[in-house]
Amino acid sequence: GNSVTQMEGPVTLSEEAFLTINCTYTATGYPSLFWYVQYPGEGLQLLLKATKADDKGSNKGFEATYRKETTSFHLEKGSVQVSDSAVYFCALKGGSYIPTFGRGTSLIVHP
Amino acid sequence: ETGVTQTPRHLVMGMTNKKSLKCEQHLGHNAMYWYKQSAKKPLELMFVYSLEERVENNSVPSRFSPECPNSSHLFLHLHTLQPEDSALYLCASSQAAGTDTYEQYFGPGTRLTVT
Repeated sequence: GNSVTQMEGPVTLSEEAFLTINCTYTATGYPSLFWYVQYPGEGLQLLLKATKADDKGSNKGFEATYRKETTSFHLEKGSVQVSDSAVYFCALKGGSYIPTFGRGTSLIVHP
Repeated sequence: ETGVTQTPRHLVMGMTNKKSLKCEQHLGHNAMYWYKQSAKKPLELMFVYSLEERVENNSVPSRFSPECPNSSHLFLHLHTLQPEDSALYLCASSQAAGTDTYEQYFGPGTRLTVT
């Protein structure tokens, strides 16, 4: 079956530091890949997505590239802000009605 | 209202009570989902509805009973719950359940506490 693996954290950074959150997946076929973000007290919201190999999703300074050869979709941001503190979920959708989510990575950014 | 709304936002219920969670999407989507989010555990998919038909039931206890009267509304009926059912219940929608490229839109969740 499909699966997503991501570091659980928390990841703790200072403001303006570089962020990487690793995500690797297992799936048959050609799934679509997503990053969602959950701010405290809220539901998840889409951050970015990529629907085929070598696609790069980007939004709000965050980027992730769909790498089929390494089955990865790592999230990066060049300079994090305190307001980026949240939980980040990597997810995939491929060949069924059921989306598959990673366990989430908590990011804490200090001023 | 825009997006996906959920009511109530907070609910405290005893183990013998019966209550319902409501979800409404204002996006014209055809698929709706219920998730359970507990601390320290992965996000758990409970039910998937596509065009008002339940297409996935992820081994959920019968004390949880979903209802989808139309493509805009989704309910989760609760009865004789256990303390371990305390969690954040998230509703989501997407344009189509069977298409991989569509993202999900989530509501803010209902924080349920079972006493």
